[in-house]
Amino acid sequence: AAGVIQSPRHLIKEKRETATLKCYPIPRHDTVYWYQQGPGQDPQFLISFYEKMQSDKGSIPDRFSAQQFSDYHSELNMSSLELGDSALYFCASSLGPGQGRAGYTFGSGTRLTVV
Amino acid sequence: SQELEQSPQSLIVQEGKNLTINCTSSKTLYGLYWYKQKYGEGLIFLMMLQKGGEEKSHEKITAKLDEKKQQSSLHITASQPSHAGIYLCGAKPTDSWGKLQFGAGTQVVVTP
Repeated sequence: AAGVIQSPRHLIKEKRETATLKCYPIPRHDTVYWYQQGPGQDPQFLISFYEKMQSDKGSIPDRFSAQQFSDYHSELNMSSLELGDSALYFCASSLGPGQGRAGYTFGSGTRLTVV
Repeated sequence: SQELEQSPQSLIVQEGKNLTINCTSSKTLYGLYWYKQKYGEGLIFLMMLQKGGEEKSHEKITAKLDEKKQQSSLHITASQPSHAGIYLCGAKPTDSWGKLQFGAGTQVVVTP
């Protein structure tokens, strides 16, 4: 079965550079969530989109922006990168607000390293 | 905001032994999700509980949600090396539309 696809899997950037992370949800899932997981920490919710509109916002820095496109894939844009942005970034998708058997399906994550 | 406390933070268990992980909330849980994570990898869905007193099992893993829906436990019977990893509980805050908040995780090590 198709899963949530995230790209790239690994990314190395220098301070003050920009990065774009992509997330392709499970087919027919209309909701996408972004999480940031620092080393040894639990995932922290950043932002979510439902039907291409922002549905919720968490602890996302102003330097970050995200959007969901007409094909439901989402991109997380990160500018002026800082060392502290180094983390594993997860995308999850769901049908609506997370009902059903699994509710949410997570991708394998993008590991961003800022040097 | 809702806070999820997981205990223990980590545990080492001998292969074949049982283990239990707890997840406690300061507020009523509206959907409690258990995930497993290998280091640096994605979250693998284990189980979801919604009703007070609900209990679900899959292979050697059993999860329960108490009647008050403020505490959940994950129990592994006869642990195997494949059970090693980080177990995370996640829950939907009452005022949220979809997002999950996570506990800090429990690292499980299974020794021979």
